[in-house]
Amino acid sequence: EVQLVESGGGLVQPGSPLKLSCAASGFTLSSNWLNWIRQAPGKGLEWVASIYPDGSSTFYPDTVKGRFVVSKDHARNTGYLQMNNLRSEDTAMYYCARGSDYFDYWGQGVMVTVSS
Amino acid sequence: DIQMTQSPASLSASLEEIVTITCKASQGIDDFLSWYQQKPGKSPHLLIYDTTSLADGVPSRFSASRSGTQYSLKISRPQVDDSGFYYCLQSYSTPWTFGGGTKLELK
Repeated sequence: EVQLVESGGGLVQPGSPLKLSCAASGFTLSSNWLNWIRQAPGKGLEWVASIYPDGSSTFYPDTVKGRFVVSKDHARNTGYLQMNNLRSEDTAMYYCARGSDYFDYWGQGVMVTVSS
Repeated sequence: DIQMTQSPASLSASLEEIVTITCKASQGIDDFLSWYQQKPGKSPHLLIYDTTSLADGVPSRFSASRSGTQYSLKISRPQVDDSGFYYCLQSYSTPWTFGGGTKLELK
């Protein structure tokens, strides 16, 4: 059974870093794109990062480029989202999802709150 | 960036109706369009991929089509369990962009 489980969320102060994890099971991350999507409270979905199956390329929207870094550890079959210099507008539920042209499996999400 | 204009923002429908939700892309995206359903407090799940392909386990009352740069999701004779939010996503070019969402209420 394909599963994605996020962890690492929490309450942090503006300017702080935070690293999210996405543990995959039932498939291998080395053969699949991994993506991160977020949803601010009461708002819609926003794509925030993607990484190639082999990890050779990463993609970000301008809203997080230079602050967020997506990576994978194939030995652990786990993906990561390193978030630096967090802002209040980064407050959201963060989901990891598998897929390239579409996202066929999603995790349950992890909440990140940026507040002083 | 490609803008996805989704309409309506909210919709109340009866169980006998045909529900249609549309997304208009600001430029051509070929068939790189997918649809997702999200229930409150849950993660989204895939309904349609590649514009018209039904994802595994999705009931056949869901269907989708394309006319130029306008993409449509149709629910025929919806059920109460179809209530929730619906989003389109274009994956033609980065930044991948979602439509603003449609809240569907069934009465």
